[in-house]
Amino acid sequence: ETGVTQSPTHLIKTRGQQVTLRCSSQSGHNTVSWYQQALGQGPQFIFQYYREEENGRGNFPPRFSGLQFPNYSSELNVNALELDDSALYLCASLYGRGSVATYGYTFGSGTRLTVV
Amino acid sequence: DAKTTQPPSMDCAEGRAANLPCNHSTISGNEYVYWYRQIHSQGPQYIIHGLKNNETNEMASLIITEDRKSSTLILPHATLRDTAVYYCIVRVIGAAGNKLTFGGGTRVLVKP
Repeated sequence: ETGVTQSPTHLIKTRGQQVTLRCSSQSGHNTVSWYQQALGQGPQFIFQYYREEENGRGNFPPRFSGLQFPNYSSELNVNALELDDSALYLCASLYGRGSVATYGYTFGSGTRLTVV
Repeated sequence: DAKTTQPPSMDCAEGRAANLPCNHSTISGNEYVYWYRQIHSQGPQYIIHGLKNNETNEMASLIITEDRKSSTLILPHATLRDTAVYYCIVRVIGAAGNKLTFGGGTRVLVKP
């Protein structure tokens, strides 16, 4: 058990639709990051939140947005889905702010999104 | 872009040590070396990290060269369950939004 739970595990959406992916982290994990992993590639950083505020963003368009809630849960929202958005979406959490050399991020098992 | 270079794949015999190399020749003084692995259909799993000194935990050992331009992850007694993609990452500690930048990793296949 990783301590980070993602839902749903699999999802199929149609191009142009909107999707919300959810993540539940461990208590005290104030930092949460989201990553996109295309088939055969390493994960790519989308954005990171610390105490409900975005504090870092990768090279993803504004139609990728997120929310973090006080109960250590978070969401990734993607609008106007494109075929290339098909990927495994990973949530990762970290105790505190990540400003010290902690043991590392804890990842969930991901949500496999397929856009048709 | 990833700041590390790893071989794309390697095989290892079950029960033997697996030595995974990583080059990070442009590493900065405030960057740590992290290793993660990803078993098929799962999220990445933290293995170990270090700054200058060699590190060991229950999973692996990390050997960092004196000039810090390369490192080696050692799995002392590889098992079939160690078959995974292994990622070497350099990461700044203390910066807001200090993301993990994954490269292609090394696909390790442990054979009986």
